[in-house]
Amino acid sequence: GAVVSQHPSWVICKSGTSVKIECRSLDFQATTMFWYRQFPKQSLMLMATSNEGSKATYEQGVEKDKFLINHASLTLSTLTVTSAHPEDSSFYICSANPWRSTDTQYFGPGTRLTVL
Amino acid sequence: RKEVEQDPGPFNVPEGATVAFNCTYSNSASQSFFWYRQDCRKEPKLLMSVYSSGNEDGRFTAQLNRASQYISLLIRDSKLSDSATYLCVVNGENFGNEKLTFGTGTRLTIIP
Repeated sequence: GAVVSQHPSWVICKSGTSVKIECRSLDFQATTMFWYRQFPKQSLMLMATSNEGSKATYEQGVEKDKFLINHASLTLSTLTVTSAHPEDSSFYICSANPWRSTDTQYFGPGTRLTVL
Repeated sequence: RKEVEQDPGPFNVPEGATVAFNCTYSNSASQSFFWYRQDCRKEPKLLMSVYSSGNEDGRFTAQLNRASQYISLLIRDSKLSDSATYLCVVNGENFGNEKLTFGTGTRLTIIP
């Protein structure tokens, strides 16, 4: 099946620093990628839709200036958590849609962010 | 009201038993429905899609009732490896809208 990778798999950082998370589709092209966040014992919440070559679409309540998304190629989207604070500590997961597929999403293994 | 609602459990079930999960969704225009499983500290993985006619994959059976906006998952002859959180997932209201809405999940533990 299709493979999506994320890097890093976990990161610990100090409050106020910025953290970049990469999401790559390894064996397919993805015009659309999605970024989710999951807090302990809660469900995945969609943060934003990343579109190759255009601006990301953010869900209500998600600050676009805090969570910067760049989808510069058909195989890579990045999420940068700027000026991270302890409340940003969470499990960040990306998913990708293969080219011209409307129903199939493949999830990355997730990135666990801990902000001290 | 949440868009996708599930009983959070936990369900503690003896090995070999049959267990059923239910899920309701609020948007009647939703088009696609799925069950995912998520293991602890891992990403969700697609278990099966859910079709109006009902569908079966080995020990797993999924049903969709559009009139009641209700989805179910039945697991027969449960195995220890079935222990996980099961997520009910609904796709967007417009064809081509790939946004997935996740339920909070139902935690299942199979007891030896």
